[in-house]
Amino acid sequence: GAVVSQHPSRVICKSGTSVKIECRSLDFQATTMFWYRQFPKKSLMLMATSNEGSKATYEQGVEKDKFLINHASLTLSTLTVTSAHPEDSSFYICSARRDATDTQYFGPGTRLTVL
Amino acid sequence: QKEVEQNSGPLSVPEGAIASLNCTYSDRGSQSFFWYRQYSGKSPELIMFIYSNGDKEDGRFTAQLNKASQYVSLLIRDSQPSDSATYLCAVNMNDSGAGSYQLTFGKGTKLSVIP
Repeated sequence: GAVVSQHPSRVICKSGTSVKIECRSLDFQATTMFWYRQFPKKSLMLMATSNEGSKATYEQGVEKDKFLINHASLTLSTLTVTSAHPEDSSFYICSARRDATDTQYFGPGTRLTVL
Repeated sequence: QKEVEQNSGPLSVPEGAIASLNCTYSDRGSQSFFWYRQYSGKSPELIMFIYSNGDKEDGRFTAQLNKASQYVSLLIRDSQPSDSATYLCAVNMNDSGAGSYQLTFGKGTKLSVIP
């Protein structure tokens, strides 16, 4: 199998707080992981590419100081939304690329609501 | 400009019929093609990938690739109401940049299977 987990699945926080989302590949190694955001009834939007042991590559328009990404091991990447605001409320989804392939497997997503 | 185009639908088919989903892409040098299924409120789930021209079958699903015409399709035989979802076509394009394995996604086709 190729299982990717995300934690938490749902989080509600107050404006100004920071939220950390974890993405783990459970049964394969993933040197590269990706973070996406999806608003209701809209397409997936790639936010950043996360590579183990190096800095993430952010897409145009995504603030790297607001969305901190750490890829500390071959099975774990984290996304921290700093000083969250209501406009950051969205569905955040990670994917992990199985090493030696170009196939991405998605995590179940994290629904963030900022009050 | 890298593009993956899909008809947004909705595509409605009666239960038991064949659903045909189509996708075109802009980069002639693309090598890897993926179909994901996304249920409302959930993250994408990999259905199939295809690399070579021709057909690839997996159960009720058949992916078809024609690199000369730059299109990839997904056929779902014996469609079931549980197949009702949005189907995303994704392509690993040569010009994704940074050797990144990034996938370019279409906006998705919404399929509705009518009982």
